Amino acid sequence: SQQGEEDPQALSIQEGENATMNCSYKTSINNLQWYRQNSGRGLVHLILIRSNEREKHSGRLRVTLDTSKKSSSLLITASRAADTASYFCATDSYSGGSNYKLTFGKGTLLTVNP
Amino acid sequence: DTGVSQNPRHKITKRGQNVTFRCDPISEHNRLYWYRQTLGQGPEFLTYFQNEAQLEKSRLLSDRFSAERPKGSFSTLEIQRTEQGDSAMYLCASSNSGRPEQFFGPGTRLTVL
Repeated sequence: SQQGEEDPQALSIQEGENATMNCSYKTSINNLQWYRQNSGRGLVHLILIRSNEREKHSGRLRVTLDTSKKSSSLLITASRAADTASYFCATDSYSGGSNYKLTFGKGTLLTVNP
Repeated sequence: DTGVSQNPRHKITKRGQNVTFRCDPISEHNRLYWYRQTLGQGPEFLTYFQNEAQLEKSRLLSDRFSAERPKGSFSTLEIQRTEQGDSAMYLCASSNSGRPEQFFGPGTRLTVL
């Protein structure tokens, strides 16, 4: 079953603009991660935020986490055509033996127009 | 640096046939995960290995599915008596002990006719 829901389902912007995607989840978590998937390919890990963190930056990426609202947002600044992809949030919670199995949302399809 | 590799990349089979997929994780990673992804959805967890031990299986993994990781290196996922509903992308990921970040392979896309 899907843990989270990304919002919006699809987002189309112009190159240079910022893109914001949101993720909501249902149960308590240890970590929340964002992954990118180019069409029909594997997933690439972008950034991880722990449950005791509120904000994290990595290059053009900024992630926030609000555990009281069970939500996260991913901001991509100064977007490029190469950022066109699907973006997924994934949560993990310990499941015996420190299994970090991931539960994904349905993703946001981002299109950056040149 | 070699990442996670999966073979084959694409597999077309007829309903009722058996198929086997292979995943080679990053060499120093002791954890290996299998996920399934259908069109328009996020990946869903199937099973998890720590070294050679299969420690967790999802309810999605019916009796027709079996996974192995002999010697704690590569892993295979076999689907017996395939059904059209098995058509999906099968993704493998690996990670290090104590690290939640997972590194994914390119996936095997299965089409059951």
